Amino acid sequence: SQQGEEDPQALSIQEGENATMNCSYKTSINNLQWYRQNSGRGLVHLILIRSNEREKHSGRLRVTLDTSKKSSSLLITASRAADTASYFCASRSNDYKLSFGAGTTVTVRA
Amino acid sequence: GAVVSQHPSWVICKSGTSVKIECRSLDFQATTMFWYRQFPKQSLMLMATSNEGSKATYEQGVEKDKFLINHASLTLSTLTVTSAHPEDSSFYICSAIAGESGYGYTFGSGTRLTVV
Repeated sequence: SQQGEEDPQALSIQEGENATMNCSYKTSINNLQWYRQNSGRGLVHLILIRSNEREKHSGRLRVTLDTSKKSSSLLITASRAADTASYFCASRSNDYKLSFGAGTTVTVRA
Repeated sequence: GAVVSQHPSWVICKSGTSVKIECRSLDFQATTMFWYRQFPKQSLMLMATSNEGSKATYEQGVEKDKFLINHASLTLSTLTVTSAHPEDSSFYICSAIAGESGYGYTFGSGTRLTVV
């Protein structure tokens, strides 16, 4: 599966600040999903945005999608120490396969 | 919500032996399951797609004879790493979707395989 790019690779912020990470993908998609992974653990689904949507909110999460640029962004507002994790975008093509980005490691300092 | 149970969570085996990893969908029927491998500080790489009752489809570069996948029922898929070598040490994760929705992907908690 093709791997997309994510930036930044790592992000260190103070508690209460916002965290923004970006993702690019390579092929046309059905939807794009964001996941969180705590160290050595499985993935937790955060939010999904369909290809015909441009922005979506869920609690402290905001996702945007720009299909013309094949890119997406994830914003976490008012970050907490518990948000410390790796975040991955995953683009879903029409064959149901998920192609994961390289991931962004977020560290939230108390 | 949908839960995928993956076992074991970690395993250490000797070089040359085989290891089986199981993924079970607990409260839904998983028509399709995916197996991923993740090396330290890297992303997930799709290894193969398994559909219940048919042969798995492997991604390019993944040896099907080394990584045997069986999806004999709608609730169970297994990955067997045969003749394991130290370079097979990795984090293996399964995921499942139910039906044709393609929206609800549920991931197992992963298996840390260490080959010594």
